[in-house]
Amino acid sequence: TQLLEQSPQFLSIQEGENLTVYCNSSSVFSSLQWYRQEPGEGPVLLVTVVTGGEVKKLKRLTFQFGDARKDSSLHITAAQPGDTGLYLCAGAFGSARQLTFGSGTQLTVLP
Amino acid sequence: NAGVTQTPKFQVLKTGQSMTLQCAQDMNHNSMYWYRQDPGMGLRLIYYSASEGTTDKGEVPNGYNVSRLNKREFSLRLESAAPSQTSVYFCASFGSGSYEQYFGPGTRLTVT
Repeated sequence: TQLLEQSPQFLSIQEGENLTVYCNSSSVFSSLQWYRQEPGEGPVLLVTVVTGGEVKKLKRLTFQFGDARKDSSLHITAAQPGDTGLYLCAGAFGSARQLTFGSGTQLTVLP
Repeated sequence: NAGVTQTPKFQVLKTGQSMTLQCAQDMNHNSMYWYRQDPGMGLRLIYYSASEGTTDKGEVPNGYNVSRLNKREFSLRLESAAPSQTSVYFCASFGSGSYEQYFGPGTRLTVT
């Protein structure tokens, strides 16, 4: 079983602050996704990264894939209360058509 | 285009009772998945179906069975529910050529 560690588990910040969430594995990912989940709903895909060193931006969110494809980060600039939610990373390993999910980061942005 | 739908949304069972969770997708996807989500543990794969007519065990299959009824539908059955199966269950699907999964809204199951 591939393991995927996500940190921090909980994060509570003030509106306007910046934050970074990390996702790490000892194995190489084929691809990695970041999802956001709101209470009572299923996860919704934010981004997929495939190439080592890849950086993708989605408005105030910046996603980075490590050069060795073993780690990824999500950086949010000037967080807003609407960013509150559970952020999950999920990695695909090898040719397996399965995803392994991290345990999630519960983000709370206080107004 | 409803995406992935799940029924029921909520369910309370007594220990030993059985039930089936239903999932359907209208995106013509080949692969479908069942996950459970528990606090602090992310999503764990119970079973998946890579294509119509095939099913495989995931990380936590014990106590569950699945049926891929056709390309659209993938059901999860609890034959004899246990309190340890109290969780939120999500169904997901994706098509060929991509690892991007689309999730249903979830079923919140409580076993007393």
